[in-house]
Amino acid sequence: GEDVEQSLFLSVREGDSSVINCTYTDSSSTYLYWYKQEPGAGLQLLTYIFSNMDMKQDQRLTVLLNKKDKHLSLRIADTQTGDSAIYFCAESPNYGQNFVFGPGTRLSVLP
Amino acid sequence: ETGVTQTPRHLVMGMTNKKSLKCEQHLGHNAMYWYKQSAKKPLELMFVYNFKEQTENNSVPSRFSPECPNSSHLFLHLHTLQPEDSALYLCASSQDQSEAFFGQGTRLTVV
Repeated sequence: GEDVEQSLFLSVREGDSSVINCTYTDSSSTYLYWYKQEPGAGLQLLTYIFSNMDMKQDQRLTVLLNKKDKHLSLRIADTQTGDSAIYFCAESPNYGQNFVFGPGTRLSVLP
Repeated sequence: ETGVTQTPRHLVMGMTNKKSLKCEQHLGHNAMYWYKQSAKKPLELMFVYNFKEQTENNSVPSRFSPECPNSSHLFLHLHTLQPEDSALYLCASSQDQSEAFFGQGTRLTVV
């Protein structure tokens, strides 16, 4: 079956860049997503990328996709304490359905 | 406000109780989902509804019973749960190929 993997923890200093990595196994993935979960809150969609793209930039966020290696990354520039959260990578092989999520990466931003 | 509202936000129930979780979406989407997020596991898809019809049941025990009376409302009826069912239950909705929007979740504790 499909599988999505992420490292579980990441710590960075405030002002540095954060890079959260994700690997997936399903070669038919059409959409790849990054969701953010703050303490006590639900999941918030940060950004997504179509599988025929290799990069997408949105303000401080940059998503890189290496489809050959099935590797997705999320770079957060100038990381702030408000960026501390759990970041979930997800893939969706069927038109907006059957999302498969990774275990989440807990990002801690140190002052 | 994500457009997807879940109630209650927190629920404590005994193993012999019967309770229901409610989800409502105001986005005009045609698909709704129930997910379970346990402390030590990745996000798990439980049920999928498309146009009020259940299209997926990911081997969920019968003590969880979904109901989708219309495309805007989704319920999860709970009975004779076990302590290991304690988790955050997330509802989401999507429209065909678009990304999923999540509610804030119901934090369930079974005692």
